[in-house]
Amino acid sequence: GAVVSQHPSRVICKSGTSVKIECRSLDFQATTMFWYRQFPKQSLMLMATSNEGSKATYEQGVEKDKFLINHASLTLSTLTVTSAHPEDSSFYICSARAGGLDTQYFGPGTRLTVL
Amino acid sequence: GESVGLHLPTLSVQEGDNSIINCAYSNSASDYFIWYKQESGKGPQFIIDIRSNMDKRQGQRVTVLLNKTVKHLSLQIAATQPGDSAVYFCAEKFRDDKIIFGKGTRLHILP
Repeated sequence: GAVVSQHPSRVICKSGTSVKIECRSLDFQATTMFWYRQFPKQSLMLMATSNEGSKATYEQGVEKDKFLINHASLTLSTLTVTSAHPEDSSFYICSARAGGLDTQYFGPGTRLTVL
Repeated sequence: GESVGLHLPTLSVQEGDNSIINCAYSNSASDYFIWYKQESGKGPQFIIDIRSNMDKRQGQRVTVLLNKTVKHLSLQIAATQPGDSAVYFCAEKFRDDKIIFGKGTRLHILP
């Protein structure tokens, strides 16, 4: 099956710094990638949808200036958490979808801890 | 709309018994539904899906049932094994291609 990777798997940073998380589709071209956030013992919450070569679409309540998303190629999307604070500590998960198909393939997630 | 659970309900099942996990979805216009399994510290893993023009679909040891009248989805796992311990999420695809997750149920296997 299709594989989606994320890097890093874990990151610890100081409050006020920025963190970049990469999401890659390894064996298919992802026209659309999605970013989710999951707090402990909760469900996945969709943050934004990114289409290759265009601006991301953010869900209500998600600050686009804080969570910068770039989908520069058909195999890579990045999420940058700017000026991270402890409340941004969470499990960030991306998924990727090939054009015209329903199935989304999920990455393994990135655990962000902001001190 | 989006569904975020504050506390995951838990289903405890004896090893070898069948498990039935239920889910209520929100959008009557959704046309595609998926069940995911998530183990601790990992991303969601696809289990089985079903389109809105079907009411039942079977996989290996799993069956998904869809009742559009009451917007209800269920996942049946036959002969539950210790490796089935995880959190299970139903998800629905909205017409704008977003996949929105339900609250999740933790499946706990009793020895």
